[in-house]
Amino acid sequence: KAGVTQTPRYLIKTRGQQVTLSCSPISGHRSVSWYQQTPGQGLQFLFEYFSETQRNKGNFPGRFSGRQFSNSRSEMNVSTLELGDSALYLCASSAYRAVSNEKLFFGSGTQLSVL
Amino acid sequence: TQLLEQSPQFLSIQEGENLTVYCNSSSVFSSLQWYRQEPGEGPVLLVTVVTGGEVKKLKRLTFQFGDARKDSSLHITAAQTGDTGLYLCAGASGGTSYGKLTFGQGTILTVHP
Repeated sequence: KAGVTQTPRYLIKTRGQQVTLSCSPISGHRSVSWYQQTPGQGLQFLFEYFSETQRNKGNFPGRFSGRQFSNSRSEMNVSTLELGDSALYLCASSAYRAVSNEKLFFGSGTQLSVL
Repeated sequence: TQLLEQSPQFLSIQEGENLTVYCNSSSVFSSLQWYRQEPGEGPVLLVTVVTGGEVKKLKRLTFQFGDARKDSSLHITAAQTGDTGLYLCAGASGGTSYGKLTFGQGTILTVHP
């Protein structure tokens, strides 16, 4: 079974630009979550999608948005990039059998550098 | 806001030594998970503990969930160089916290030959 696939692996952008990251979950997984990882803040939750609906959202500005398609693939978009958006962006999928036992399977991430 | 405090932040030991990583919170979690992450990769799930007082063993790794489900520990016996990596604890709140895990800051473990 293929794992979670994230593209691209690396991205270099300049301030003010926008970026779109892609995530393909494990086959059969319908829940996709996004996390931002930085050395200072660690892993922070961005949002979660299930059946094309955003069910949960973290404390990030509106410049961060996402969507999910009918095949469960997900994209996240960051508009008007700032230097502080430089981070590893991780996507995780879940089979969602029980929220209390949430098990996330992470992709390798997209390393975004904003210059 | 739920927080998970993980300690120590850095651990540098010799092969064959034992070590323990702690994860503490003032909040109750429905489950606690431990992940290991290597440079350039995403975290990989090691174990999930759900019941207060639960102990799980995975070869040389022993995981414990506190009775009150607010804390957890990871103990590695006879560490090997292959254990080197970033260890993360993460708590799930249950309910409508879909997809959201609260992560500790991580412990960077270096095992020297």
